[in-house]
Amino acid sequence: AQSVTQPDIHITVSEGASLELRCNYSYGATPYLFWYVQSPGQGLQLLLKYFSGDTLVQGIKGFEAEFKRSQSSFNLRKPSVHWSDAAEYFCAVASSFSGGYNKLIFGAGTRLAVHP
Amino acid sequence: DGGITQSPKYLFRKEGQNVTLSCEQNLNHDAMYWYRQDPGQGLRLIYYSQIVNDFQKGDIAEGYSVSREKKESFPLTVTSAQKNPTAFYLCASSSTTELFFGSGTQLSVL
Repeated sequence: AQSVTQPDIHITVSEGASLELRCNYSYGATPYLFWYVQSPGQGLQLLLKYFSGDTLVQGIKGFEAEFKRSQSSFNLRKPSVHWSDAAEYFCAVASSFSGGYNKLIFGAGTRLAVHP
Repeated sequence: DGGITQSPKYLFRKEGQNVTLSCEQNLNHDAMYWYRQDPGQGLRLIYYSQIVNDFQKGDIAEGYSVSREKKESFPLTVTSAQKNPTAFYLCASSSTTELFFGSGTQLSVL
């Protein structure tokens, strides 16, 4: 069965510091991978996704993620964090993706706090 | 603007009461979903629908019901059988490349 692990429940960084949020998945074949961000009391917004091709993907708001098959990881990075990045971040995996039903498995999330 | 609209933003349920959460999308997506979010547990799938007049149970469907009479609408009813309904509920729809989410409904028990 597919699963997603986000090892860090809470992370605190200083504004301007670099950020890396970890995501490990369990799936036999090539997965479809996603990172979503959620502000308090709001829905989820897609930051970036990996379906195939270049293993380093660029997303919105200056985020990037790297797919490493050998490590079953899809870590999210940002070189310089802004106070507005404080939110909860979710990694998700799917075995396929189409216009019909798509079964996404979500991690438990990582809550990011940013110190001024 | 295209998107998903959930209402109400906050909802309170009394003992033994059924309540209905609204979800409307104007993205012309076939597939729609309901997720439940509890602190520290990520998102869990309640129900999904791939087409009008058809829907399937997700991982935690007990105590919930849905309907899909129109492509744009996928309301969720939290029945009195759901003994722990307090949670944040998210509606979503999917294109061929991603899930789009509404802004959620916080349901609490009075």
